[in-house]
Amino acid sequence: NAGVTQTPKFQVLKTGQSMTLQCAQDMNHNSMYWYRQDPGMGLRLIYYSASEGTTDKGEVPNGYNVSRLNKREFSLRLESAAPSQTSVYFCASSLTWGNSPLHFGNGTRLTVT
Amino acid sequence: DAKTTQPPSMDCAEGRAANLPCNHSTISGNEYVYWYRQIHSQGPQYIIHGLKNNETNEMASLIITEDRKSSTLILPHATLRDTAVYYCIVRSFNNDMRFGAGTRLTVKP
Repeated sequence: NAGVTQTPKFQVLKTGQSMTLQCAQDMNHNSMYWYRQDPGMGLRLIYYSASEGTTDKGEVPNGYNVSRLNKREFSLRLESAAPSQTSVYFCASSLTWGNSPLHFGNGTRLTVT
Repeated sequence: DAKTTQPPSMDCAEGRAANLPCNHSTISGNEYVYWYRQIHSQGPQYIIHGLKNNETNEMASLIITEDRKSSTLILPHATLRDTAVYYCIVRSFNNDMRFGAGTRLTVKP
């Protein structure tokens, strides 16, 4: 039981390049989330998927797109990376939307030069 | 969601209880109090949550005041591995989980 798995662990991009961050969970959870964390700050929600087939914007969605590929997988895409997107990205899942604890992956460290 | 206020940092001696406070004076009746921690640069780890009753699990205890305006997370016997940033979050049923700056707990030998 791996929990929440994120790939890659590290990535360096040049400004303007695109990439997709992958996330998969094996806990049969219905809801999934993408957060970013910048130095010295708490986590900020980018997008979430309350259930398979739905996605919604969080606090900081600009510059990102997401896909809930199936119940297990939720990907985050940067179409044209900018230095302001340099951050650590965390994926999380929860059994349900609402009163259900989130379980996090160990993050992807992204640097955009 | 109600906002929370936590001290930016705290120290605790190894083996002693760590008591981490959180103020949430604008909490509503349907909002839960959650606690997470983040060790170094790992993903946040869920610790415990509650509505109005005190809660205990294998990791910690959560004490919520009767008026629900504040709560305390208690780690009964802190170890060096409990050094982390601890986040107190208030969340209503239909809202997402929003993290603040948290409390940096340092457990000292």
